[in-house]
Amino acid sequence: AQSVSQHNHHVILSEAASLELGCNYSYGGTVNLFWYVQYPGQHLQLLLKYFSGDPLVKGIKGFEAEFIKSKFSFNLRKPSVQWSDTAEYFCAVNGYTGFQKLVFGTGTRLLVSP
Amino acid sequence: DVKVTQSSRYLVKRTGEKVFLECVQDMDHENMFWYRQDPGLGLRLIYFSYDVKMKEKGDIPEGYSVSREKKERFSLILESASTNQTSMYLCASSLGTRMVFDYGYTFGSGTRLTVV
Repeated sequence: AQSVSQHNHHVILSEAASLELGCNYSYGGTVNLFWYVQYPGQHLQLLLKYFSGDPLVKGIKGFEAEFIKSKFSFNLRKPSVQWSDTAEYFCAVNGYTGFQKLVFGTGTRLLVSP
Repeated sequence: DVKVTQSSRYLVKRTGEKVFLECVQDMDHENMFWYRQDPGLGLRLIYFSYDVKMKEKGDIPEGYSVSREKKERFSLILESASTNQTSMYLCASSLGTRMVFDYGYTFGSGTRLTVV
């Protein structure tokens, strides 16, 4: 069965600090990988996704993620966070099992202090 | 933009009641999903459907059923609501039946259900 681990449950940063959120998945085959963000009171939105090709993926709002196949990881990064990045971030994986079915991690709550 | 609309934002129901959560998408997506979101547990898949009248169990289907009579509508049913079903319920849809999908999921705003 596929699973996703997000090791940081809560992260607190000051504005302009750099961000890296960890995501590891367990699935031996080809995967699609996603990061979603949920701002307070809003619905989940896609930040970025990886299907194939360049393992460094750029998303919206200055976020990027790197797929490292040997480590089964897909960490999210941003060089300089802003107060408006305060949100909950979810990593998700879809393995090629015949159905589109995203498996989500438990989420990381990011609080950016001004 | 694809819109996924969940009929209620907040819902309060009594233990033992039959509860219907409705979800409608307006972009002809084949696949629809119901998740519940709980603090510290993330999103867990309850049921999904890849075609009209088709349904598949997700990871936590116990106590729930679903109905998909029309392509645009996917209903989640709590046959006899219990307090441990108090949660945020999220509906999502996605395009296509191919194994690789290009757009990820589009989520609704969620229904916060409280069972008392």
